[in-house]
Amino acid sequence: AQSVTQLDSHVSVSEGTPVLLRCNYSSSYSPSLFWYVQHPNKGLQLLLKYTSAATLVKGINGFEAEFKKSETSFHLTKPSAHMSDAAEYFCVVSPSNTGKLIFGQGTTLQVKP
Amino acid sequence: DAGVIQSPRHEVTEMGQEVTLRCKPISGHNSLFWYRQTMMRGLELLIYFNNNVPIDDSGMPEDRFSAKMPNASFSTLKIQPSEPRDSAVYFCASSFQGSGNSPLHFGNGTRLTVT
Repeated sequence: AQSVTQLDSHVSVSEGTPVLLRCNYSSSYSPSLFWYVQHPNKGLQLLLKYTSAATLVKGINGFEAEFKKSETSFHLTKPSAHMSDAAEYFCVVSPSNTGKLIFGQGTTLQVKP
Repeated sequence: DAGVIQSPRHEVTEMGQEVTLRCKPISGHNSLFWYRQTMMRGLELLIYFNNNVPIDDSGMPEDRFSAKMPNASFSTLKIQPSEPRDSAVYFCASSFQGSGNSPLHFGNGTRLTVT
């Protein structure tokens, strides 16, 4: 069975400091992995996706994620947080070619001035 | 491209009333998904269609919920009769599913409040 676990429900950083949002997945074969961001009262927007090409994936707004098969992790990082990064972030695994997605519970990122 | 369009943005209704949520997917996409988001349960997949055919409706909570996709450019999610526990944000998403996993594009959601 496929699943995804976001290890932190809430992360708080200061503006200009690095961001790390952790995600571990469980999959019986090489999955497709995504990070989505949701700003208040908005839909979900794709940040980046991993589909078995390069293990380091660059996304929008300076975010990137590294696929580590040995650790079954797909953590999201950004070198320097901006106030506009405050939002809910979802790690997502797609176990098949149906497009059906399995969402993590989400991590709320707070950015302090 | 206008993206996935959902209507209405907000819906407030009384218990027992019928509610219809609407979705227009991105042109050219062949898969459409309905999700529900609540604080307690997070994002739940209700149903998804591929080429207008329902593929998996195992997430539909009860017979009160039904979804249709009469053509490639329109889908509805209906709740009849509605109950207060149906209050949530309902998202529609679309994608093109070919040989690989394409990401989903989400609408801005419909916030449903059932009193």
